[in-house]
Amino acid sequence: AQSVTQLDSQVPVFEEAPVELRCNYSSSVSVYLFWYVQYPNQGLQLLLKYLSGSTLVKGINGFEAEFNKSQTSFHLRKPSVHISDTAEYFCAVSDAGGGFKTIFGAGTRLFVKA
Amino acid sequence: KAGVTQTPRYLIKTRGQQVTLSCSPISGHRSVSWYQQTPGQGLQFLFEYFSETQRNKGNFPGRFSGRQFSNSRSEMNVSTLELGDSALYLCASSLTSSDSRYGYTFGSGTRLTVV
Repeated sequence: AQSVTQLDSQVPVFEEAPVELRCNYSSSVSVYLFWYVQYPNQGLQLLLKYLSGSTLVKGINGFEAEFNKSQTSFHLRKPSVHISDTAEYFCAVSDAGGGFKTIFGAGTRLFVKA
Repeated sequence: KAGVTQTPRYLIKTRGQQVTLSCSPISGHRSVSWYQQTPGQGLQFLFEYFSETQRNKGNFPGRFSGRQFSNSRSEMNVSTLELGDSALYLCASSLTSSDSRYGYTFGSGTRLTVV
């Protein structure tokens, strides 16, 4: 069975500090990987995605993520966070062969402090 | 272009009642998926519709149903509401059903409170 594990439920960090949000997945088939962000009282917004090729992918708002096949991880990073990055972040996985539907992790709440 | 529109944004219903939520996807998108989001369970997949046909269904009771119209707009219905149905219901629009590489575009959700 496929699964997504976000290793931290909450990550507090000071403004302008770097941050890493961790995501591990489990799947027996090739997958696409996604990170979404959800601001309060809003839906989810796609930050970035990995389909194939270069393992380092860049997204919106200065975020990037690295796909590590051997460790089945897809960690999200930002070198310097802003107050406005305070939100919940979701890692998601889908079957590249069109099989199982997109599965979301439980979410990581990023709290940026001044 | 317009985003995914969900109506209403907020709803308060009484146990035992039924409710219908609406979602209009991005123009040209033919797949609509519904998710239930709660603090305890996170995002759980309800069902997906493509070209007016239900393509996939999550593990929810039969009280949860949906449909899609020829213009790709979708509705979901919950009958005999229970307190545990209180949640944010999110609609996700995508270009196709079988190719997930494009990801989803989400609406802002409908916040349902059952009292």
